[in-house]
Amino acid sequence: GESVGLHLPTLSVQEGDNSIINCAYSNSASDYFIWYKQESGKGPQFIIDIRSNMDKRQGQRVTVLLNKTVKHLSLQIAATQPGDSAVYFCAENIKSRPHGSSNTGKLIFGQGTTLQVKP
Amino acid sequence: DSGVTQTPKHLITATGQRVTLRCSPRSGDLSVYWYQQSLDQGLQFLIQYYNGEERAKGNILERFSAQQFPDLHSELNLSSLELGDSALYFCASSVDGTPSETQYFGPGTRLTVL
Repeated sequence: GESVGLHLPTLSVQEGDNSIINCAYSNSASDYFIWYKQESGKGPQFIIDIRSNMDKRQGQRVTVLLNKTVKHLSLQIAATQPGDSAVYFCAENIKSRPHGSSNTGKLIFGQGTTLQVKP
Repeated sequence: DSGVTQTPKHLITATGQRVTLRCSPRSGDLSVYWYQQSLDQGLQFLIQYYNGEERAKGNILERFSAQQFPDLHSELNLSSLELGDSALYFCASSVDGTPSETQYFGPGTRLTVL
């Protein structure tokens, strides 16, 4: 069935190190992927997105890599800071009609990875 | 601040009751989404509206309903509440609700059913 899962439920890193958060998706028809950050008591905050016609996209201190061959998505955070501590979710947009375009923005979320940054 | 507002922030009610959650999208956004976040199910898509019309439906219970009004704000109605309905309910909005479009989330409403 449809699923987006995360390999590591909790990731602990030292301040200043790079973080890598992984995500596996199962639907080869997905063509849009997003990473969200959720701090305690707040709603998901957009970090970065990538379309299926790309392999890599960079933002400020963050990079998303997409490997369609193995259906794998990763989020890299450079020079991790205490303020990066949060739960990170990957999400995918699944086409509702396999042989046509979808007009829905429905997102399927992964379970989330908690990132803990040690000072 | 995403620009999406939700009220109330917290809601405590009893089983069997009915509640209404409210969402105002970002200025200029025509599409609204509702998601439920519970500890055991994660973030689950419930329903999407675009310019007042339902566009997509997820695993939304029959006890739940939603609508989007002409001023584009949306309400999620939860009735005959059960203990298992306790969760965070998030609203998100995007410009026209098409795929490959960023959804911006509100701060959520925490519902506790006692």
